[in-house]
Amino acid sequence: AQKVTQAQTEISVVEKEDVTLDCVYETRDTTYYLFWYKQPPSGELVFLIRRNSFDEQNEISGRYSWNFQKSTSSFNFTITASQVVDSAVYFCALSEMADKLIFGTGTRLQVFP
Amino acid sequence: DSGVTQTPKHLITATGQRVTLRCSPRSGDLSVYWYQQSLDQGLQFLIQYYNGEERAKGNILERFSAQQFPDLHSELNLSSLELGDSALYFCASSVVSAGLNTGELFFGEGSRLTVL
Repeated sequence: AQKVTQAQTEISVVEKEDVTLDCVYETRDTTYYLFWYKQPPSGELVFLIRRNSFDEQNEISGRYSWNFQKSTSSFNFTITASQVVDSAVYFCALSEMADKLIFGTGTRLQVFP
Repeated sequence: DSGVTQTPKHLITATGQRVTLRCSPRSGDLSVYWYQQSLDQGLQFLIQYYNGEERAKGNILERFSAQQFPDLHSELNLSSLELGDSALYFCASSVVSAGLNTGELFFGEGSRLTVL
């Protein structure tokens, strides 16, 4: 069965701190996709990244970076030099082929000035 | 702007009533998904349609139903509403070709339902 666990319910940091959001997933499939979405206070869900199960290469996009490790079934997300605008709820999600997304419970990140 | 349009954005109604939420997917997307986000349940998958046919079902109550029309827009019908149905309902669409989902879902801004 599919499952996504985000053990951190809420994280508070001060601006310019680095912060890592953890995501652990379970799946029986060998082919799957992992995602991160951001939900700012305005409520919409914003796509951040997609990674397929055959691509374990880490990715960096500006202040964002993602660490995918199949050995530990983890897909962690790091924000470097956090900013107040990064305050949001972040969701990790898993999709098996041609299937819906299963979301984790989300991590609320609060960045204080 | 994701390209997915949901109406209405806000809806307030009473217990026992019935409401319909509407979703227009991105141009070219054949697959539509409905999700419910409530405080205690998080983001829960309700149902998926692909090109007019139901494809997958999640935690959707029997009081809820959905359909996808030939023009690919979708409606989620919620009936006999209860207080606990108050939530943000998201519609998402994606490209699915040859049975393979590229995976990325594009979400609408959601319809916030308040049941009093």
